Amino acid sequence: NAGVMQNPRHLVRRRGQEARLRCSPMKGHSHVYWYRQLPEEGLKFMVYLQKENIIDESGMPKERFSAEFPKEGPSILRIQQVVRGDSAAYFCASSPAGISYEQYFGPGTRLTVT
Amino acid sequence: AQKVTQAQTEISVVEKEDVTLDCVYETRDTTYYLFWYKQPPSGELVFLIRRNSFDEQNEISGRYSWNFQKSTSSFNFTITASQVVDSAVYFCALSERGRDDKIIFGKGTRLHILP
Repeated sequence: NAGVMQNPRHLVRRRGQEARLRCSPMKGHSHVYWYRQLPEEGLKFMVYLQKENIIDESGMPKERFSAEFPKEGPSILRIQQVVRGDSAAYFCASSPAGISYEQYFGPGTRLTVT
Repeated sequence: AQKVTQAQTEISVVEKEDVTLDCVYETRDTTYYLFWYKQPPSGELVFLIRRNSFDEQNEISGRYSWNFQKSTSSFNFTITASQVVDSAVYFCALSERGRDDKIIFGKGTRLHILP
């Protein structure tokens, strides 16, 4: 039973490029959450999605960041025109429907912007 | 507003000593969940425990134990007879039942176990 999968595990982008981070939830889980961990900080909530629906994006920066969770395929966190301040670890978690306190975390994607 | 405070930024102890990591939380909900996670140097998050607000019993799992006290809004974590492999960053976190989305994390405590 595979856990939450994220890829790539490490991503290097130059300033101005786009970063795409993928998250495949655990089997049977229909809810996905993205968190960002800046260096030496705790994780901060970004966005909560169900299939084809954004439920809460209160933690998403207003510009350059977007997220989707299509009917088929993984959830994608997209960062356009990356800047050095976007360098962080991005964690995805998934949960069964309606049980957000049972979030299972993926291994994270470490984004480095050069 | 919900908040998790881990006042200890960094702790160093010598192997085999006991160490307690403090966690204080704020919430307006009567139903909530508290968590501890371990983040080893490899970077992944390792789930350690989840406790709901109605269960104030202390929990012990091997060398790990947790003390939940609603009266002081604290959920402290003790490692007994620490080992070098316990070196990691430990996060305390909170999820409110009335807000079915986010988990709120503290800033973490970096624990160094010295051989």
